[in-house]
Amino acid sequence: GQQVMQIPQYQHVQEGEDFTTYCNSSTTLSNIQWYKQRPGGHPVFLIQLVKSGEVKKQKRLTFQFGEAKKNSSLHITATQTTDVGTYFCAGHAGKSTFGDGTTLTVKP
Amino acid sequence: DAGVIQSPRHEVTEMGQEVTLRCKPISGHNSLFWYRQTMMRGLELLIYFNNNVPIDDSGMPEDRFSAKMPNASFSTLKIQPSEPRDSAVYFCASSFLASGRLDEQFFGPGTRLTVL
Repeated sequence: GQQVMQIPQYQHVQEGEDFTTYCNSSTTLSNIQWYKQRPGGHPVFLIQLVKSGEVKKQKRLTFQFGEAKKNSSLHITATQTTDVGTYFCAGHAGKSTFGDGTTLTVKP
Repeated sequence: DAGVIQSPRHEVTEMGQEVTLRCKPISGHNSLFWYRQTMMRGLELLIYFNNNVPIDDSGMPEDRFSAKMPNASFSTLKIQPSEPRDSAVYFCASSFLASGRLDEQFFGPGTRLTVL
């Protein structure tokens, strides 16, 4: 079945440092979505990527979809304490499969 | 719109009891998902409905779990009998699927279930 692997599982950074999480699918995806879950909260949609090689930016966040539509990344530039939480990718290929998430902690 | 509504928000029950979780999706959405989240297993998809029909229930742990969607505005997830290992946060999410493309999923606040 479809599998979505996400690395790293945890990332601890100093405020101001950059952060990247990677998502890899065992199958070609029709689209991929990224979500953020704050501690004690529920996943909240960030963005959806559909096209091969697509790159989208939201302020300090940059999202990429691989050429083969099997991998994706989320990069945060100059992290802030408000960025803490768990970031999930969700690959869609007939059904949605969530990665295990990357939990980001930021030291002020 | 109030978003996805789940009830109860917290449930504490004893092993062997029946537990029913409820979800009201966003009006107009045709897809509904039930997830379970634990520290050990992360976010797991339990079952997925499209147009009120269960499409994929491969994530349902065992026969103790059942889910229904009698209409487009209501779904239930039932655990009978409950066991301590069922303790988790259960999320309901809704979305719109068209032409094979799934829009963003809107998650409810979750139900935190504790089985003693």
